[in-house]
Amino acid sequence: DADVTQTPRNRITKTGKRIMLECSQTKGHDRMYWYRQDPGLGLRLIYYSFDVKDINKGEISDGYSVSRQAQAKFSLSLESAIPNQTALYFCATSVRVDWKNINEQFFGPGTRLTVL
Amino acid sequence: RKEVEQDPGPFNVPEGATVAFNCTYSNSASQSFFWYRQDCRKEPKLLMSVYSSGNEDGRFTAQLNRASQYISLLIRDSKLSDSATYLCVVNKGRGNGGSQGNLIFGKGTKLSVKP
Repeated sequence: DADVTQTPRNRITKTGKRIMLECSQTKGHDRMYWYRQDPGLGLRLIYYSFDVKDINKGEISDGYSVSRQAQAKFSLSLESAIPNQTALYFCATSVRVDWKNINEQFFGPGTRLTVL
Repeated sequence: RKEVEQDPGPFNVPEGATVAFNCTYSNSASQSFFWYRQDCRKEPKLLMSVYSSGNEDGRFTAQLNRASQYISLLIRDSKLSDSATYLCVVNKGRGNGGSQGNLIFGKGTKLSVKP
């Protein structure tokens, strides 16, 4: 089945460490997204990419960077992790859209990151 | 006004009950609307899209009122397996910065169905 996968699924790290979260998809979708979810705050967009050469900041990009290595791969890096980056991180994909037809997003299983 | 606003709940209902969730959105230029379901510690999954004419999928009915910028989800004959958090989702729309195709997620309404 076409799918969205994330690695690792759980990670505990220390303040100041560099962390990379990886996302792969077999759906053939153009668009990929990184979100974080915190209790009481809902899902917030960190970065999104419409294709390999198109990377855009979301609402909370500070402290994060991304790389779109291929259409199917989109990784999120925390250059120097801090405790308030402890959260559940989701990758998502969607097909190309036009203004009349915004399509759903498909989510990976999430990565639970704890920064001590 | 928040971009997408929902009652956080929790809604605690007995099996068989009918429960309704409401959601309001701030950008009148938004044109795509969804309800997602999220189980505890799992990823959000699309429950149903919401169309202007209203739509039904089994026990679930979604309604959209563009004039009031209001979306609803009705669940009839609740099952234990309906226990989850329900996320109201709206596309960003024009004039709000970013891509109008990006989705804005409400914080979710938690439903707990009891035996």
